[in-house]
Amino acid sequence: AQSVTQLGSHVSVSEGALVLLRCNYSSSVPPYLFWYVQYPNQGLQLLLKYTSAATLVKGINGFEAEFKKSETSFHLTKPSAHMSDAAEYFCAVSPSGAGSYQLTFGKGTKLSVIP
Amino acid sequence: GAVVSQHPSRVICKSGTSVKIECRSLDFQATTMFWYRQFPKKSLMLMATSNEGSKATYEQGVEKDKFLINHASLTLSTLTVTSAHPEDSSFYICSASARTSGFYNEQFFGPGTRLTVL
Repeated sequence: AQSVTQLGSHVSVSEGALVLLRCNYSSSVPPYLFWYVQYPNQGLQLLLKYTSAATLVKGINGFEAEFKKSETSFHLTKPSAHMSDAAEYFCAVSPSGAGSYQLTFGKGTKLSVIP
Repeated sequence: GAVVSQHPSRVICKSGTSVKIECRSLDFQATTMFWYRQFPKKSLMLMATSNEGSKATYEQGVEKDKFLINHASLTLSTLTVTSAHPEDSSFYICSASARTSGFYNEQFFGPGTRLTVL
């Protein structure tokens, strides 16, 4: 079984400040991990993914995340927040390996950016 | 990147009618498609998983006769909400994945369909 916990349903940061969105996972098998962003009334867009290669993953829009097995974490960061980063962010986990694609999502974190 | 489209983007219907939502993978063959439902300010709830040419696998608590899923080809899946009622109003999102190297279990999401049942 797999699960994802996103700490903080709502995070507010000032424009230009560090963004840190937390994600912890639970998985009985080696996982693949994903961060998605959702803007209002839109589908999900992949920000980045961890697929057992480098533990520090760089994604689009200046975001990155680090896979820490010892902490079962995959926190999302961005050095400097931009107004356009305001959105809902979802962390997701799936089993690694071929033949299994089901994603388990966290409950999401709404990011607000204050001018 | 892989593109998934959904049609319609918005639909308003009367209670008791049926609504069909299409999900298409535009530039790749989707061996598996997923249907999610998202309530306001909530996460995505997986409704069903469908493989091309096979019957969909529904998650616990999802009514098979209410939400009919057809995955007739490698690029098209449809979700039909039968005899819709106001409680079926929601944001429905599909995603697609392909069993090819480089996708790493990645799902590509459609833009969603907002269903409002009056």
